Amino acid sequence: EVQLMESGGDLVQPGGSLRLSCAASGFTFSTYAMNWVRQAPGKGLEWVSSISGSGGSTYYADSVKGRFTISRDNSKNTLYLQMNSLRAEDTAVFYCAKGWSGYIDHWGQGTLVTVSS
Amino acid sequence: EIVLTQSPATLSLSPGERATLSCRASQSVSSYLAWYQHKPGQAPRLLIYDASNRASGIPARFSGSGSGTDFTLTISSLEPEDFAVYYCQQRSNWPVTFGPGTKVDIK
Repeated sequence: EVQLMESGGDLVQPGGSLRLSCAASGFTFSTYAMNWVRQAPGKGLEWVSSISGSGGSTYYADSVKGRFTISRDNSKNTLYLQMNSLRAEDTAVFYCAKGWSGYIDHWGQGTLVTVSS
Repeated sequence: EIVLTQSPATLSLSPGERATLSCRASQSVSSYLAWYQHKPGQAPRLLIYDASNRASGIPARFSGSGSGTDFTLTISSLEPEDFAVYYCQQRSNWPVTFGPGTKVDIK
């Protein structure tokens, strides 16, 4: 059974940093692209970033480019999202999501990031 | 960036009724479109991929159709557990984009 467990969400001040982690199990982690998708309060789903199975290719939404960095450690079956220069508009539930043919076939339960002073 | 528009924003129906949800793309996405179901406090669930293929374990009452710019998700007879928000997503072009969602609520 595929399991994705996010952690690291917290309350952080504007301009601050946070690192999210996602522990994956139940599939061959290094074989699949992984994604971060977020949902701001009362809003819809927004794709944030993707990384290839090897980690050699990364992609970012314009809204986070230059501030967020996606990475993965295939030896630990773990996905990361380093978030710097956080803004109030980054407040959201962040979902770790397993990629499959350009879609997402499994999602974690999400971790809440709140950016506020 | 490809913009996805979903209509209606809210659909109020009773259990047993048929639900028809629309997703329109700002340019052709061929058949590279998926539908997801999202309930409050839960992880989203993949329902349909490549416009018309049901994902593993998805009941036959869910069906998808369309290509190019116009797509439809149909729920043939609503069950109580189907009341949720539904999102379309395209993977034709980077960046991947989602529609704003259609909320299906109980009438």
